[in-house]
Amino acid sequence: GNSVTQMEGPVTLSEEAFLTINCTYTATGYPSLFWYVQYPGEGLQLLLKATKADDKGSNKGFEATYRKETTSFHLEKGSVQVSDSAVYFCALSGGNTGFQKLVFGTGTRLLVSP
Amino acid sequence: SAVISQKPSRDICQRGTSLTIQCQVDSQVTMMFWYRQQPGQSLTLIATANQGSEATYESGFVIDKFPISRPNLTFSTLTVSNMSPEDSSIYLCSARPGWQGAETQYFGPGTRLLVL
Repeated sequence: GNSVTQMEGPVTLSEEAFLTINCTYTATGYPSLFWYVQYPGEGLQLLLKATKADDKGSNKGFEATYRKETTSFHLEKGSVQVSDSAVYFCALSGGNTGFQKLVFGTGTRLLVSP
Repeated sequence: SAVISQKPSRDICQRGTSLTIQCQVDSQVTMMFWYRQQPGQSLTLIATANQGSEATYESGFVIDKFPISRPNLTFSTLTVSNMSPEDSSIYLCSARPGWQGAETQYFGPGTRLLVL
C-alpha cells in the first residue's frame, strides 16, 4: 500500500539556518503530496502541496518539489525563524487509495533556537 | 476554511472504562474523520464518518471498540471503549467541507488520552 517515510527528528537549528526535512513516498498511480505543520497545542495545518510531477509547492518561505524519479518531496526553507519550531508531517493522497485518503509520515520535530 | 474544536483536550482514564470524545466544526462539512497518533508514530486513520450513513472503519479498527456517531453536518463523537494502556494516544478529528480533495481537509487540536 501507499506509505510515506520522513527523516527522524528532532532537527535542531539556529535562527537563519537552512532547513531540509527529507520525505520519500511509495505509491501506485499519481498521488498528491502535502506538508502539514503542527504548532504546539494546535491542530495540523496544511503548509503546502503539489499535485503532479515537477510541481513546486510553496508557502511562508517553505518550498517542496514533487520529484517522481526519486519519489521524494523534501521540505526546504532558506532561513528558519524561532516561530517555525513545530512538528512537520509529510503526507500523500490519491493514487490508488480510492477517495483520496491521507497517508502520513511519522512527523519531524523542528527546534529553532535564537 | 473550517475551525474544529475537540472536547476534552486531555484525560486520564482507568483501564476498562470508556471515553467519548466530541468534535465540533464551525460550519457544515460533508466528510469527517477520526485519526489516532500514537507516541512517536504517524497519524493513522481510524474511520470515516459521513452524515446519514454508518462509519467506515479502516483495517485493524472495529465498531465495538471505537463506536462513532455523526448526528448532523457539524458534529461527531468517537468513543474509546473498554480502554487499556495501549489506547493511550492522541485522537484527532478532521473534516472536509465537500467531496473535494485532501487539500481541503482541516484538523482539530486533538485529545490526549492516557490510560492507566
